[in-house]
Order: sequence, then structure tokens, then C-alpha cells
Amino acid sequence: EPEVTQTPSHQVTQMGQEVILRCVPISNHLYFYWYRQILGQKVEFLVSFYNNEISEKSEIFDDQFSVERPDGSNFTLKIRSTKLEDSAMYFCASRGAIGVADTQYFGPGTRLTVL
Amino acid sequence: QQQVKQSPQSLIVQKGGISIINCAYENTAFDYFPWYQQFPGKGPALLIAIRPDVSEKKEGRFTISFNKSAKQFSLHIMDSQPGDSATYFCAANKAAGNKLTFGGGTRVLVKP
Repeated sequence: EPEVTQTPSHQVTQMGQEVILRCVPISNHLYFYWYRQILGQKVEFLVSFYNNEISEKSEIFDDQFSVERPDGSNFTLKIRSTKLEDSAMYFCASRGAIGVADTQYFGPGTRLTVL
Repeated sequence: QQQVKQSPQSLIVQKGGISIINCAYENTAFDYFPWYQQFPGKGPALLIAIRPDVSEKKEGRFTISFNKSAKQFSLHIMDSQPGDSATYFCAANKAAGNKLTFGGGTRVLVKP
């Protein structure tokens, strides 16, 4: 069964450093998402991406964040200058085209630890 | 208005018992209500989902009940098994492709 994959599984970085989290969505999917989950809390939406542009973003997704689909298969989340409060589990999700089931399929996540 | 409230925060049930998790939403524009199951260190995995045009959906031991007028929906896990021990999240979104708004999660522990 096709699945969303994410790398790395765990990223440790120093405050102020840039990080790039990588995702490979399911191959025929067209909608891509990033969510985050601070330890013990609920999953929160960050951004959605369709047709090579951001379709919606939350208030969490400020100027320090950016997304990119550089090569037609990868989908990346960049945090330009990490803060302690960016420590969380980051999940990538993808969804098929309109008319197909609305299910968003989640990857296993990247645990980001900012020291 | 975008909130989804979930209860209880945690639940302990004996093997073979019924687990019931409740969610309430505010935004009447929501039209898709999935439940996700999450094991420690893993991503959320879709368990079952419902649209507001039906009041109940059953898949195996998992049933969603939906009350549109009360803006509430619930997950029932029948004949709970130790392997069902996980965190369950309800969620909602409006229009295809839109962001999911998650509830706070319920940690379920099924005792053998």
C-alpha cells in the first residue's frame, strides 16, 4: 500500500539554525499538508499546498516557515531560524484529487528538537 | 468557531468492553468528520470517517454516530482489544482538500 514517507525521523538543532524537513507524498496525490504536534497536545494545521502554491496557512506559519515542492516528488518544510517553541513532531500529509476520497494520509513524522 | 472539542482526555476499558469517545464542533460548514488512530511515535492513521448526510457508519468493531442538530459525533469501539490501546483524534474539515481541525485527543488503554 502506498504511504507518505518523511525524513529524517529525528532532527536535533540549535536555536537560530535553519532546518529542512522532507516528505515524499503518495505519488498520484495533488494536495499536500504540513501539521505539527507539540508533545502531548493535539495535531495543528500549518499549511496546505496545491498546484505549486500555498492554498491556506495558519497563524503559526509565519515568515520563518516556507514550503516547496522542488522536484515533483518531494515536499519540504523549511524553518529559517528555529526557536525553542518549534520543538514538536511535524507530520506531512497528502490527499488525492477532487472526486476521490477526502482522506488525508499522514506520514510517520519528524521529531524536531530545538536546543 | 473552528474548534473541535473532544472528551474524555483518557479512558481505561477492560478487554471486551466498549470505548466511547465524544466530539463536538461549532462550525456548521464542516462536512467531513474522520477519526484517526495514533500509536506512540507514529503518524495519525485514518480509522473511519463520516459525512453529515448519514447518522451512523460502522466498519468492523468501529462505529461513528453523528448528530447533526446537536453538532456532535462519537466513536464507539466494540469488543475493545489491548491492540486498540492508542490515542484517538476526531477531526473535521469543510470542503474537499481543506485543512483538518483536530480534537484534543483521547488516550485509550484497554486492559487485558
